[in-house]
Amino acid sequence: DVKVTQSSRYLVKRTGEKVFLECVQDMDHENMFWYRQDPGLGLRLIYFSYDVKMKEKGDIPEGYSVSREKKERFSLILESASTNQTSMYLCASSFGGEETQYFGPGTRLLVL
Amino acid sequence: GQNIDQPTEMTATEGAIVQINCTYQTSGFNGLFWYQQHAGEAPTFLSYNVLDGLEEKGRFSSFLSRSKGYSYLLLKELQMKDSASYLCAVSPPDSNYQLIWGAGTKLIIKP
Repeated sequence: DVKVTQSSRYLVKRTGEKVFLECVQDMDHENMFWYRQDPGLGLRLIYFSYDVKMKEKGDIPEGYSVSREKKERFSLILESASTNQTSMYLCASSFGGEETQYFGPGTRLLVL
Repeated sequence: GQNIDQPTEMTATEGAIVQINCTYQTSGFNGLFWYQQHAGEAPTFLSYNVLDGLEEKGRFSSFLSRSKGYSYLLLKELQMKDSASYLCAVSPPDSNYQLIWGAGTKLIIKP
């Protein structure tokens, strides 16, 4: 079974803080994705990575950065958290030649 | 442009059948996914259709018509545990395996 884990289920941060969200997958997947999910908007892609140290911007990269130093780990960084970044953050991964994505449990982030 | 439409919410009765529709307008198309997401949990893969027609998997079936830009997910013998959101997603060609997601349909099952 594919397992994707995320570092926290719930997180409360203050405006201006630097926030790190970590995602780890154990299936040697090449592709990893960070989404945010807000009511009525569906999943929106923030960044994705198709290999170690490779990254590409998704639809809404502003205010975020990512790091992929090891194949199994993909980190999302909020350099200076703002209240409009309060959301559910979902990490996903997939094999290099496939499109089926497997999701982690999500991190619900509240920025005060 | 690329757009996926699903109803926001549907209600059905335990033991009944429900059909959740998804229409899409995308520039090119590889295949269509359906995912299930229970409240507060991760989306989980249900089905992937590439060819036209109906694919059945137990109580769940998924249909695709590429020419009409239309898909549906059919749930039979509904159970209370089927209460969840159902997400439709399309994989465009040359997308580096990215998916375009619909906003999801929240399905409420009543006894």
